[in-house]
Amino acid sequence: NAGVTQTPKFQVLKTGQSMTLQCAQDMNHNSMYWYRQDPGMGLRLIYYSASEGTTDKGEVPNGYNVSRLNKREFSLRLESAAPSQTSVYFCASSERPLANEKLFFGSGTQLSVL
Amino acid sequence: AQKVTQAQTEISVVEKEDVTLDCVYETRDTTYYLFWYKQPPSGELVFLIRRNSFDEQNEISGRYSWNFQKSTSSFNFTITASQVVDSAVYFCALTLSGAGSYQLTFGKGTKLSVIP
Repeated sequence: NAGVTQTPKFQVLKTGQSMTLQCAQDMNHNSMYWYRQDPGMGLRLIYYSASEGTTDKGEVPNGYNVSRLNKREFSLRLESAAPSQTSVYFCASSERPLANEKLFFGSGTQLSVL
Repeated sequence: AQKVTQAQTEISVVEKEDVTLDCVYETRDTTYYLFWYKQPPSGELVFLIRRNSFDEQNEISGRYSWNFQKSTSSFNFTITASQVVDSAVYFCALTLSGAGSYQLTFGKGTKLSVIP
């Protein structure tokens, strides 16, 4: 029962470096999401994919790109990392493309940008 | 715009005490959904409950109960006879209903520490 799997769990980058966070779900869910969580704040939506082949911006998309590789996988890319992108990143999925759906979360990626 | 306020940043209770986590929300829409998620120390958020705006019945699930009051725009969460395993950050969240609505607005969370 893997659910939502994120890799890596930890990453340290230097300013300007690029990297891709990987996410895969094995529940045959249609929709996938990337959130970031900053200290003392709730989660904020970066990008989402309502269904395979579609992606849309969330609340805080600047500095990020996403790819819905197939129904299972949804990756988040930082092209040129900045210290402001230091955060914990969560991938999530839901069965249907509606915000009122129950979300299933991965265990998170802790990213530090120096 | 939607907003969720969890005024209690941190709460500490002794094991077996009851504790209530407050959640106040703001929205102009009449149709919406409210959620609670639990984030234990392992980090992964876990869904606890979803309630739509037309269902004001309180809900009980074991030691957990939720009180939804539209008149005060509140959706409070009570843990009865708390246990150490309840130690976590709890998030209240709000979303609008309907296709095309994907914005889930989270509160800042309440960190609950249950002391043995």
